[in-house]
Parts: sequence; structure tokens; C-alpha cells
Amino acid sequence: GQQVMQIPQYQHVQEGEDFTTYCNSSTTLSNIQWYKQRPGGHPVFLIQLVKSGEVKKQKRLTFQFGEAKKNSSLHITATQTTDVGTYFCAGRYGGSQGNLIFGKGTKLSVKP
Amino acid sequence: NAGVTQTPKFQVLKTGQSMTLQCAQDMNHNSMYWYRQDPGMGLRLIYYSASEGTTDKGEVPNGYNVSRLNKREFSLRLESAAPSQTSVYFCASRRTSGRGRTHSYEQYFGPGTRLTVT
Repeated sequence: GQQVMQIPQYQHVQEGEDFTTYCNSSTTLSNIQWYKQRPGGHPVFLIQLVKSGEVKKQKRLTFQFGEAKKNSSLHITATQTTDVGTYFCAGRYGGSQGNLIFGKGTKLSVKP
Repeated sequence: NAGVTQTPKFQVLKTGQSMTLQCAQDMNHNSMYWYRQDPGMGLRLIYYSASEGTTDKGEVPNGYNVSRLNKREFSLRLESAAPSQTSVYFCASRRTSGRGRTHSYEQYFGPGTRLTVT
């Protein structure tokens, strides 16, 4: 079946360092969403990317969708302790009615 | 608005016992979902309901049943719990676009139910 691969599984950074997580699909995605889950919490939607080559920014977070719509990345500039959590990408296949396929997530820890 | 609510928050079951996890949303969303989350495995879809009156299997449906009681409520039942069903269970809902429209909306998750089967 369809799979969304996400790397790395864990990332430990010093506060102020940058962080990037990557997602890859073997087949073309309709769109991709990103979620953040704080420790002990539930996933919370961050953003959706739909167009080929799309780049969106939210303050220190930059999201990219590849030209072929098979990969995506989330980059955090100058991490803060509030960025701690697990970041999931979730790809959708087959149009707006298809279900999301979640990557396994990247767990980010930030050392003050 | 409470968003998506789930009960109970925690549950311990013995192998073979049954239980129902409850989920309700007050956002008038058509679609509802049940996921399980295990360490290192991400979120895996158990069952979903695209609209009131319909349910479909997801990636890992074995050992579970669901009921879409009405538009607000979507319950998950474990008929005979097994240790392999120890997990955190999340319910989610999503607004869906009308037929022919292409917008895809985000999912809203409940706080989760932490289930342990001994």
C-alpha cells in the first residue's frame, strides 16, 4: 500500500540550532499536511501544501512541497524549547476525499 | 466549542474483556476517524466514517468494530481485548468539501484514550 517515509526518527538540537524533517512518498500525493504533537498531547494541524513546488512560512517554520509532489520538508530556524514535540507529515492520495497516510514522525528535543 | 472529545482518558483491561471508546465532535463535520498510535509507528487508521451512516476499514481494522451513531458520535469497540491492542487511541474529525470540489481540510484530533491490556 501507499507509504509516507519520514526521517529522521529523532533529532536532538541545541536551542538556537536549525532543524529539518523530511517526508518522501514513492507515488504522487494530492496534498500533504503537517501536524505537531506535544509530549502527552494530541496532533495539531500546522499547514497544508497542495501545489507543486509550494513553499509556505509560519514565523520560524518553512514548509516545502517538492516539484513532483512526492516529497516535503519542514524546516525550523533557530529552535526554541517551545518547539519540542513530534512532527508528523501526512500525505493524501487520490484527491480531497482520500485518507491521510501519516509518516512515523520526527521527535524533536531541544536542549536549552 | 469543545471540538473533539473522547472518553475515557485512561483504561486498563484484562485480556478478553470488551469495552467501547466514545468520541464526539461539535463542529458539524461529516468525516470521523479512529487512529491508534504506538511508539515509533506514527498514527495508523483503524476505521473511518466519511459521513453519517457509513463506515469503512482503515489500515489496521482487525479486532475492532465501529458505530457512527449520528453525525456527532463515532464509537470504537474492542470485543475481546488483547495485549497487542495496548495503545493510545485518537479520534479525529474533518470537514469535507462537497462533491466536485477539491479543497481538503485538516483533521481535528481528540485528546486520546490511553488503553492498557494486561
